[in-house]
Amino acid sequence: DADVTQTPRNRITKTGKRIMLECSQTKGHDRMYWYRQDPGLGLRLIYYSFDVKDINKGEISDGYSVSRQAQAKFSLSLESAIPNQTALYFCATSDNTGRGYNEQFFGPGTRLTVL
Amino acid sequence: GDSVTQMEGPVTLSEEACLTINCTYTATGYPSLFWYVQYPGEGLQLLLKATKADDKGSNKGFEATYRKETTSFHLEKGSVQVSDSAVYFCALKSRSGYSTLTFGKGTMLLVSP
Repeated sequence: DADVTQTPRNRITKTGKRIMLECSQTKGHDRMYWYRQDPGLGLRLIYYSFDVKDINKGEISDGYSVSRQAQAKFSLSLESAIPNQTALYFCATSDNTGRGYNEQFFGPGTRLTVL
Repeated sequence: GDSVTQMEGPVTLSEEACLTINCTYTATGYPSLFWYVQYPGEGLQLLLKATKADDKGSNKGFEATYRKETTSFHLEKGSVQVSDSAVYFCALKSRSGYSTLTFGKGTMLLVSP
């Protein structure tokens, strides 16, 4: 079974709709992240959470919100989707051993299309 | 702020050719450096890392050396295979502030038989 799962894997929606993307992990990691990937722009950080009570904005948080329901679950919401939020969204996790690096483990991605 | 610059792709090579993907960075202090790989239809996975100057990361025949003097972390492989076709991302983690990763824009590698 995959360690980091994302649902749905694909979603097509209309402008103005509310959308929730979900991420679950079985790695026991405290830290979770949401990124979006756009062609030619690489990965950009939307939000991150270092534990259940910690939520932080990333580089491009406008238009998004998140919820950390439990250590293993981190959801990303688009309150009112717009076409330029069409992208590939990735969830990632990492541990907090503080060894100077933190390998991030990525889910398979959610392809979101906003019409 | 922190930033990572990678050479633009796609890089197109024949099987068994040599590969170099350039990566340079700007960061405060001495960051940790990473190469991630994204195979078609999948999420990213860590390929190799280096946490201090002159460290060499290696995995699956790929290598990269942390060069503080040139702020670079170029990815190299002596003989590529078709199965190496993927998008490669250079990334850094600053030692200051929160330990989030800053990614480059990615370089697509296409290897033909």
